[in-house]
Amino acid sequence: QKEVEQNSGPLSVPEGAIASLNCTYSDRGSQSFFWYRQYSGKSPELIMSIYSNGDKEDGRFTAQLNKASQYVSLLIRDSQPSDSATYLCAVKEGSSNTGKLIFGQGTTLQVKP
Amino acid sequence: EAGVAQSPRYKIIEKRQSVAFWCNPISGHATLYWYQQILGQGPKLLIQFQNNGVVDDSQLPKDRFSAERLKGVDSTLKIQPAKLEDSAVYLCASSQSRGWAFFGQGTRLTVV
Repeated sequence: QKEVEQNSGPLSVPEGAIASLNCTYSDRGSQSFFWYRQYSGKSPELIMSIYSNGDKEDGRFTAQLNKASQYVSLLIRDSQPSDSATYLCAVKEGSSNTGKLIFGQGTTLQVKP
Repeated sequence: EAGVAQSPRYKIIEKRQSVAFWCNPISGHATLYWYQQILGQGPKLLIQFQNNGVVDDSQLPKDRFSAERLKGVDSTLKIQPAKLEDSAVYLCASSQSRGWAFFGQGTRLTVV
């Protein structure tokens, strides 16, 4: 079983639509969760962090966490062509601040004008 | 605030040669990570340091890869001897304890 699992996609949405990206993880003790965006040929950059169950909103982005289901999601509202990228889910394993930071394989998002 | 610095940006070597990558993390970041990212895949954690101690190196191919973090600051990752399958982008990242990781620009390695 993969430690952090994402659907590799591609996920294609029209401009202005809501894009929904999902991630599951295996370490039940994990406390810190992150979404990164990676443009082709570039390094990952942080979009959102979430630590508590529920929703966290930042502009057009909403991260959702359900620790009981070991599930993290990212919603992108009013999707723009510039949002086309690979979205990486990352989980810091365990309850310690020094836990391993593990990434999923990423979901490729295509926003069509 | 200066970001994570990595060098070189690109490297082409022949198989069985050796290569070394260098990383300077963000000042004050205790945690340093080395990831390998093969085209089309997510970053794979090779080794994670906390200050100058190793937190995890379970995915590091120790017969050919080695890494060190001197004085809890800069780090080097070495491959000796390189194989064709080592062609990838090597990403260095750093973080404060609970925080998220900031990435360097990466080193693109091509083994021919």
